[in-house]
This record gives sequence, C-alpha cells and structure tokens, in this order.
Amino acid sequence: GNSVTQMEGPVTLSEEAFLTINCTYTATGYPSLFWYVQYPGEGLQLLLKATKADDKGSNKGFEATYRKETTSFHLEKGSVQVSDSAVYFCALSLSETSGSRLTFGEGTQLTVNP
Amino acid sequence: EAGVVQSPRYKIIEKKQPVAFWCNPISGHNTLYWYRQNLGQGPELLIRYENEEAVDDSQLPKDRFSAERLKGVDSTLKIQPAELGDSAVYLCASSFRLGMFFGPGTRLTVL
Repeated sequence: GNSVTQMEGPVTLSEEAFLTINCTYTATGYPSLFWYVQYPGEGLQLLLKATKADDKGSNKGFEATYRKETTSFHLEKGSVQVSDSAVYFCALSLSETSGSRLTFGEGTQLTVNP
Repeated sequence: EAGVVQSPRYKIIEKKQPVAFWCNPISGHNTLYWYRQNLGQGPELLIRYENEEAVDDSQLPKDRFSAERLKGVDSTLKIQPAELGDSAVYLCASSFRLGMFFGPGTRLTVL
C-alpha cells in the first residue's frame, strides 16, 4: 500500500535558522508529492508539489525535490520566520491533479522562536 | 473566490447522539472529499465523490457513518450514533484541476 513517513516532531528553531523536515514514501506506481501546511485554527493549505522525479516544488521560500532513488521529498527553507510556525504534512497522490485520495504523513509541528 | 465552507466549526455531543456536518465546496469543483484527522495525526480519507457519485468509500465505517452529496454540490456527513473514538476534526476538501483545497474543518468532541 501507499504510505508517507515524516520525521518526528516537534521541531523548535530560532528565527533565521535553516529548516529541514524529512519525508519518505512508499507507493505503487508513480505518485505526485505534496507538502501541506496547517496554521493554528485553519484548514490545510497546499504549500508546494512535485509531480515527477527530480522536479523541485517551491513556494514562500520553501523547497522540496522529488527524489525517486531515495523515495524522499524533504522540505527545506533557508531562513525561517516566526510566521512559519505551523504543522507541516507531507502527502502523496497517484493523480497529478489530486483527483484521487491523498495519503498523509503524521505531520511535523514547527515552532519558530524570535 | 470563496473557499471550502464547513459548518459547524465546533460540536460537542454526548456519546450515542447523532451529529451531522455540512460542506459547501468551491464552485465548479466536481470532486469532494471527507477526511478525518485524529489528534496529532494526518488526515485520513473517509469518502470521495465525483459529482453526486461516491467513488471511494472504502474507509467509511458504514455501520454508523453516512454521507450524501445531493445535486453534486453540497455534502453532508452524518454519524449515528457517535462513539467516544469519533472525536476528531472532520475536514472537507474539493478539487478540480489545480489541486485539493481544504475547509477549516469541524472539531467534534464526544463526551
């Protein structure tokens, strides 16, 4: 079956620190990969996505590269801000446009201190 | 453009009581999803609709959960009777071509 594994949280960083949140996956076929972010009290928002191997998704300073050889999609940001504090979810879908179900990881809580 | 709308945002009930959640997807989105998110975990799909047809309900506990999407727009998810383990956030999402968009969710607490 399909599954997503994220690094355990919570993660606490100081402002302007470098962020990495690890994500690995298991899938039948060729999945699309996503990162979603959930701010306190809000719904999940798509942060970035990649639909094929070696694609790099990027948004708001966050990046993730689809690595087929290591089945990974690690999220990175060079300099985090307090406003980045949220829960981050890695997810996969077997449909490029998310027409099928998303399989989520358990989420990683990020707290950024000033 | 309005996002996915859900109501209520919060619901507290006693076990064995019924409860219903409502979702209005983004206009024009044919695909609608209900997910359940337990505390500290990622969302898990309960049911997916293509227009008014439920095309993936394999994870829906059909003994107590039911859902409908009349006219292929709004959707209602019902639990009857609710159990303590049903306490979670119930998320509705919709998609068309450019990705999946989530509503704010309904937080259900069963006492």
